[in-house]
Amino acid sequence: KAGVTQTPRYLIKTRGQQVTLSCSPISGHRSVSWYQQTPGQGLQFLFEYFSETQRNKGNFPGRFSGRQFSNSRSEMNVSTLELGDSALYLCASSFRTGSTEAFFGQGTRLTVV
Amino acid sequence: AQSVTQLGSHVSVSEGALVLLRCNYSSSVPPYLFWYVQYPNQGLQLLLKYTSAATLVKGINGFEAEFKKSETSFHLTKPSAHMSDAAEYFCAVSGVNTGFQKLVFGTGTRLLVSP
Repeated sequence: KAGVTQTPRYLIKTRGQQVTLSCSPISGHRSVSWYQQTPGQGLQFLFEYFSETQRNKGNFPGRFSGRQFSNSRSEMNVSTLELGDSALYLCASSFRTGSTEAFFGQGTRLTVV
Repeated sequence: AQSVTQLGSHVSVSEGALVLLRCNYSSSVPPYLFWYVQYPNQGLQLLLKYTSAATLVKGINGFEAEFKKSETSFHLTKPSAHMSDAAEYFCAVSGVNTGFQKLVFGTGTRLLVSP
């Protein structure tokens, strides 16, 4: 059974640009959550999507957005990139109902220059 | 608000020694608690979880943790460290107040294992 797949693994962008990251959950999982990991702030929750609807949101500016498609794949978008957006972005998937166990992808390393 | 505190950003042990990584939680409602491990340039792998069943939870790779409500703790232990255990470990909490799918992580503890 394939795990959570995040693409791309590495990305370099320039300040002011926008970026889109992709996450394919484990087959059958309908909940996708996104986290940002930085040395200074640690692991922080961005948002969760279930059945194509945002169900929960962390404390991030509106430049961070996401969406989920009917096949449960999810994308997150960051507009007007800032140097501080450089981070490892992790996606996690789960069934949501019943088990709360979340399975993480390997992440996308975003570097903003 | 729910939160977890991990005591010690770095823990060093010798191979074969006991591993003890500390985690204390704060929650006004029964929490779900997790331990994850992260190897360099990798995502997070679930070691074990507590979801209000047995208070002693056994996980993968010989790790276990005990939920102690009186101490609001969920410490991670392993009787004998192996070189391959060197990694960063994160304690996390979720619950009905924040949404069960929202994990709130501690700051992490880097485990160093020497020969």
